[in-house]
Order: sequence, then structure tokens, then C-alpha cells
Amino acid sequence: AQSVTQLGSHVSVSEGALVLLRCNYSSSVPPYLFWYVQYPNQGLQLLLKYTTGATLVKGINGFEAEFKKSETSFHLTKPSAHMSDAAEYFCAVSEDRGSTLGRLYFGRGTQLTVWP
Amino acid sequence: DADVTQTPRNRITKTGKRIMLECSQTKGHDRMYWYRQDPGLGLRLIYYSFDVKDINKGEISDGYSVSRQAQAKFSLSLESAIPNQTALYFCATSDFIGEQFFGPGTRLTVL
Repeated sequence: AQSVTQLGSHVSVSEGALVLLRCNYSSSVPPYLFWYVQYPNQGLQLLLKYTTGATLVKGINGFEAEFKKSETSFHLTKPSAHMSDAAEYFCAVSEDRGSTLGRLYFGRGTQLTVWP
Repeated sequence: DADVTQTPRNRITKTGKRIMLECSQTKGHDRMYWYRQDPGLGLRLIYYSFDVKDINKGEISDGYSVSRQAQAKFSLSLESAIPNQTALYFCATSDFIGEQFFGPGTRLTVL
């Protein structure tokens, strides 16, 4: 089974500052990787995903993430935070083999606060 | 219309009651999932189904059961609800790669 670690359950930044949310996973085989965002009182929606190809993935709302196999990481970044980015962010990794290929394992989430 | 719908959206019940949460999807996906979300614990998988005849336990299936009535419908039951099942419950569907599409959630309170 996979495990996903999100470093920092809470991250606070000022509006306009760089956003960096960290995610590390346990698989030795390159899996499929996802970042989801959850706004208050809503379900989760996909921000971006890595399946194959280019390791720098661009998503919605100016977010991007880079898959680094050697570091087993998939950190999420945004150059300039906006107040509307305040939400909870979840990293997820797919099962990489066997009969449960495609099942997702989620990190515990990082709550992003953006200060004016 | 939403691709994944959940009913009810909110439910308050008492200890010992049987509760059913329902999920329907129009994505045409074979795969469906039930998760619960608790603060600080992220999403934990309760049950998942990769097709109508396939049901699998997740990390925390004790106290829960599911039924896959059709490709588009996947319901979650709490046979005898207890207070520590108070949580936010999400249904999701996915393609084979694993990109999941979530419903809006059901907030369940067990008194």
C-alpha cells in the first residue's frame, strides 16, 4: 500500500507570496499523482495531476507541481497567493500495481491560510 | 447538473439507528468509492467498488456496509450508528487511472 505525507498541516502566507505545499509518497515505482483542493463546505476538486510525460504539471488557478522521482515528491506551488486560494489541499497517489490499480491514497491535508 | 450527487446532504440521527447514504453518478464510471473525512485525518476509504459485482473493504469498513445497485448507484449504510461515526462522508467515482470525481458530501451527526 502507498503512504502519502504532507509536511505541515497548516501553512500561512501573505497575499502575493509564494505558496509551497509539500507532498512525499512511498512508492518506488512512479505512480499517478494528484492534488485536490477543498473549499469550505464543498467537496474535493482536482487541481492537477501527473500521469506520464512532462514532470512539471500545470493546473487550475495558477498552481503547478513537479514530480521528482529521485525525491519521491510532488510539491505544489503557486508564485503569488490570492485570498481566494485559502482552502484545504490534499495530495493523493494512486495504487501502482495489481488488482487495485487506480485506488487513491490521500495525505492528511494542508490547510492554507492567506493573510491580506 | 452535478456529475456526482449525494443524498441527504445533512443528517442528524441517534445512536443505534440505521442510516443509509446514497450516491448517484452520471460520469459513466465503473469505479465508485465511499470516504469519511475527519479534521486532521484527511480522507479515509471505507469501501470501494470497481464494478457492479465487485465490492472491497477499505481502511475503515467496520460498522459500515455498502450496496452497488447499478453502475450509477452506490449506497453506504450504517447498521447501528454510533457517535464516533459523526463525520463528513464523500462519494467519488473514477476512471481506471484514478482521477476521482467527488460528490458534495453528507454531513452526518450521530447523537
